[in-house]
Order: sequence, then C-alpha cells, then structure tokens
Amino acid sequence: DIQMTQSPSSLSASVGDRVTITCRASQSISSYLNWYQQKPGKAPKLLIYAASSLQSGVPSRFSGSGSGTDFTLTISSLQPEDFATYYCQQSYSTITFGPGTKVDIK
Amino acid sequence: EVQLVESGGGLVQPGGSLRLSCAASGFTFSSYWMHWVRQAPGKGLVWVSRINSDGSSTSYADSVKGRFTISRDNAKNTLYLQMNSLRAEDTAVYYCAREVVATIFQPVDYWGQGTLVTVSS
Repeated sequence: DIQMTQSPSSLSASVGDRVTITCRASQSISSYLNWYQQKPGKAPKLLIYAASSLQSGVPSRFSGSGSGTDFTLTISSLQPEDFATYYCQQSYSTITFGPGTKVDIK
Repeated sequence: EVQLVESGGGLVQPGGSLRLSCAASGFTFSSYWMHWVRQAPGKGLVWVSRINSDGSSTSYADSVKGRFTISRDNAKNTLYLQMNSLRAEDTAVYYCAREVVATIFQPVDYWGQGTLVTVSS
C-alpha cells in the first residue's frame, strides 16, 4: 500500500494567518490526491480533489498544489471556522488517508 | 437534499458479525460509486471498501479483506457492509460516503453521520 505522511501533525495559528499543510506519498501518485476537513463529532468534508481542484462551495481561501509525491494544502487567511483536522487521501491505488493535521487556535 | 443514513452499529463480541446499512436519498443512488470509511475513537480516517454503481466491482482495505463484504441494493437505495470475524481493532465509527461522479480521482463528496461499532467482550 502507498503510505501517506502529513506535516506538521498539529499547528497553532491565529485568525488571518496563512497556513500550509504538507502531504507526502511513499511513491508517485500523479495527481490522485484529495483533501478533507473534519471538525470534532462531524463527518469529513471534501475540500480539494485531483490535487488542486476546488470542490464546489468551498471558499477560495483553500487551495491545493503538487503532483508526484509532494502536495500542499494552503489556507490563505485562516478563519474561525477553519479550526479543524485536515486529511489528505490518495486514490492512485488502494485508497489510503494521511494521519491528519490538527489546526487549532494560538 | 442528499442524505446518507447509516444504521446497524452496536456492541458485538470478538469473532461476531454485524451488518451495517446506509439508506441513501436525494440523488440517483444507482449512478454513484459508494464507499465505507471508518474512524476509531480519537484516531484518523481509514478507508474500508468501495463498490461501483451496479455492484459488480468491489475493493477492500487489506485489514478487512476476506472478513468484510460490501454490497448494494439499487432498488432499495441502500448500501451494506457485512462484517464477519470482528476484532477489537474494528471498533470505530463507520461512515458511508458517496463518490463524486465522472472523475477518476475518487473523491467523496457526501458522508453519512456514522454508526458506531464496538467490538468487545
């Protein structure tokens, strides 16, 4: 199976900050990379698919980039509702998720 | 409005069986690939299984292969997960989820609220 890692595992940030989360695959996955946001007690929400395509209805402050093995999720200006855990997911082969990055309030 | 409602979770002893159901509404269920994803308490997301729109093709995570079976009844707009030989490590909230149509990247755009499966003696 393809292993996914994320860094950092957690971060503290303030409203208005630019936040970048990195996801790395153990082998090349082309652009088969999706990003999800999950808040406590809630189901995940799709943010980005195919590495850089913004899901309908998701604010434009979210963006994704990368291909091959290295990917990033960027929140250009962190809003109060963005404090959550973020997961990357590869779908190049048997689907696997990254371990998650928790974004909390500084 | 798209809705996915899971049911069938509960407490089961190690080695036991359970069948989860996911009732879908608000969209043409028979047109969509579907997934099961689980999350152990306080842990991350783990993909479990996927089924194509007519039920003829399935795939599984290695951790459940041979023990779990995904299926669907398009006439009843319902997705299933038959879980056999359950282990303590299968304890989790199980989500059913809908895959975005017409993309090869398999993103999941709608999720149910989840049903908790607890495997314990």
